[in-house]
Amino acid sequence: AQSVTQLGSHVSVSEGALVLLRCNYSSSVPPYLFWYVQYPNQGLQLLLKYTTGATLVKGINGFEAEFKKSETSFHLTKPSAHMSDAAEYFCAVSDDYKLSFGAGTTVTVRA
Amino acid sequence: KAGVTQTPRYLIKTRGQQVTLSCSPISGHRSVSWYQQTPGQGLQFLFEYFSETQRNKGNFPGRFSGRQFSNSRSEMNVSTLELGDSALYLCASSLVRVQGASEQFFGPGTRLTVL
Repeated sequence: AQSVTQLGSHVSVSEGALVLLRCNYSSSVPPYLFWYVQYPNQGLQLLLKYTTGATLVKGINGFEAEFKKSETSFHLTKPSAHMSDAAEYFCAVSDDYKLSFGAGTTVTVRA
Repeated sequence: KAGVTQTPRYLIKTRGQQVTLSCSPISGHRSVSWYQQTPGQGLQFLFEYFSETQRNKGNFPGRFSGRQFSNSRSEMNVSTLELGDSALYLCASSLVRVQGASEQFFGPGTRLTVL
């Protein structure tokens, strides 16, 4: 079974600083990887996805992620944090018609 | 295009009761998945339906069941509710043809509280 591990349950950044959220995957086949964001009392919104092709994936709201097979990683970054980025972020891998999610990383943004 | 809708948004039940949650997928999406989200266990897959057939099921007891109708709408049912069933239940729809290739679009969830 495929799985993902998110490193760090909480990340605190200053407004304007780099946001880096870490995700490592475990898969015996080329994975389909996703990053979702969840705002309080809402469902999950897709930020970006990696299926095949370009390893640097650009998403919404200025986020991007790089697929590194050698490191089995799919870290999410945003160059400059905004207050509206405060939310919980989930890395996920698609496996047998379902998504397997990481435990999530809560991002707080300091003014 | 309207997004995934879930009803009701909030529900309070007592132990031993049963509950039915409803999900309407995005128009044209034929795959519907259900997930349970709790603070302790995180996001866990319940089941997935495509064209009224369950293609995958998560590791949940038989008290959790679901179905999909010919118009792709889906319901999930939980019988004999336990306190631990309190959770946010999320429904997601997808255009998936090839396994894993299509992203899932999530509804706002149903918050179930079991007293």
